[in-house]
Amino acid sequence: ILNVEQSPQSLHVQEGDSTNFTCSFPSSNFYALHWYRWETAKSPEALFVMTLNGDEKKKGRISATLNTKEGYSYLYIKGSQPEDSATYLCAFIYGGFKTIFGAGTRLFVKA
Amino acid sequence: DTAVSQTPKYLVTQMGNDKSIKCEQNLGHDTMYWYKQDSKKFLKIMFSYNNKELIINETVPNRFSPKSPDKAHLNLHINSLELGDSAVYFCASSPPGYEQYFGPGTRLTVT
Repeated sequence: ILNVEQSPQSLHVQEGDSTNFTCSFPSSNFYALHWYRWETAKSPEALFVMTLNGDEKKKGRISATLNTKEGYSYLYIKGSQPEDSATYLCAFIYGGFKTIFGAGTRLFVKA
Repeated sequence: DTAVSQTPKYLVTQMGNDKSIKCEQNLGHDTMYWYKQDSKKFLKIMFSYNNKELIINETVPNRFSPKSPDKAHLNLHINSLELGDSAVYFCASSPPGYEQYFGPGTRLTVT
């Protein structure tokens, strides 16, 4: 059974702290790894699409890295702000277009 | 213009009824998906369609059936609704393997 795990499950930080989360996925049959940001009462929105081992992507204060050989991706947020509070989901794309989402890391940033 | 739309936004119905949720995307994407946000807030894929062909059919009850009249639409039909079907259902679309664009969700309540 394919499994995508995210850790930690939740995280409470102070404004200005930098933080990171982990997404672990199977190292076989890899097609892509997506990161999404999901605010309460809204829909998930894509942050990054990563396809190559060693990929590093950045969008403002948020960045992500990818290691397909060992099956993990890190998401980093530098200088967290209250508006960064959300659930961060990773999605493992395999065997073409099949998708498995992780359970997410819920981030709370306190002002 | 809304990229991925779902109707209705809220649906309250009784056990045993048959209902449909509609999804439309105006992005020209080839692949569309249906997800169920379960009681633990996890996002579980139910179906995806690529160019009107079903390419994923996860282990969902056969009371659930996707119907795609054309590339821009993927409707979800549910027969004989049960209490456990209560959830938020999200539609999404993407080019194959690329980031997915989600609809606003439909909150289904079965009484």
